[in-house]
Amino acid sequence: NAGVTQTPKFQVLKTGQSMTLQCAQDMNHNSMYWYRQDPGMGLRLIYYSASEGTTDKGEVPNGYNVSRLNKREFSLRLESAAPSQTSVYFCASSEYRARGNQPQHFGDGTRLSIL
Amino acid sequence: AQTVTQSQPEMSVQEAETVTLSCTYDTSESDYYLFWYKQPPSRQMILVIRQEAYKQQNATENRFSVNFQKAAKSFSLKISDSQLGDAAMYFCATNPISNFGNEKLTFGTGTRLTIIP
Repeated sequence: NAGVTQTPKFQVLKTGQSMTLQCAQDMNHNSMYWYRQDPGMGLRLIYYSASEGTTDKGEVPNGYNVSRLNKREFSLRLESAAPSQTSVYFCASSEYRARGNQPQHFGDGTRLSIL
Repeated sequence: AQTVTQSQPEMSVQEAETVTLSCTYDTSESDYYLFWYKQPPSRQMILVIRQEAYKQQNATENRFSVNFQKAAKSFSLKISDSQLGDAAMYFCATNPISNFGNEKLTFGTGTRLTIIP
């Protein structure tokens, strides 16, 4: 079972470059999420998608865009990377049930460094 | 809005002993979940245990149990018979239960647990 797959695992960018982080899940989940994790902090939600065709901002959306390409895939794009976006990025997915979503399943993360 | 506070940046415990990690939270939601996630050095986020706020009974998963005090907004994690593989960052988190499938997790800053052989 692959679960949630993120690519790439590591990336180094220069300030101003653009980059798309890819995420795919094979669990047929409706909801998908992008988080960032900075040292000394917990994960913070960037964007989420409750279902195919919908996306919404989370806590820290500035500087990012997302695309829910289909039910499986949810990408995160940095149009003009800044050093403040150096972080570890996690994608997650979950399935909706009658009493809310089941726990989120996380990918292994992408470590992104902006020089 | 929700906030989660973990006041212990680091904890250590002897192998086979018991340790309790603290978490307090604040939420305006009437119905919500609480979670403990484990993040080992491999960086994976692994669900340890989940508690529904409307359930008074504390959740238990093998060696892991919680002490959920709803009025005090406290949600501590007890690890019994600590093992070397328990060494990790532990994050407390919460999300409201919605009917739309768009539940957003709010995390604490984590507690680094070290197991002493």
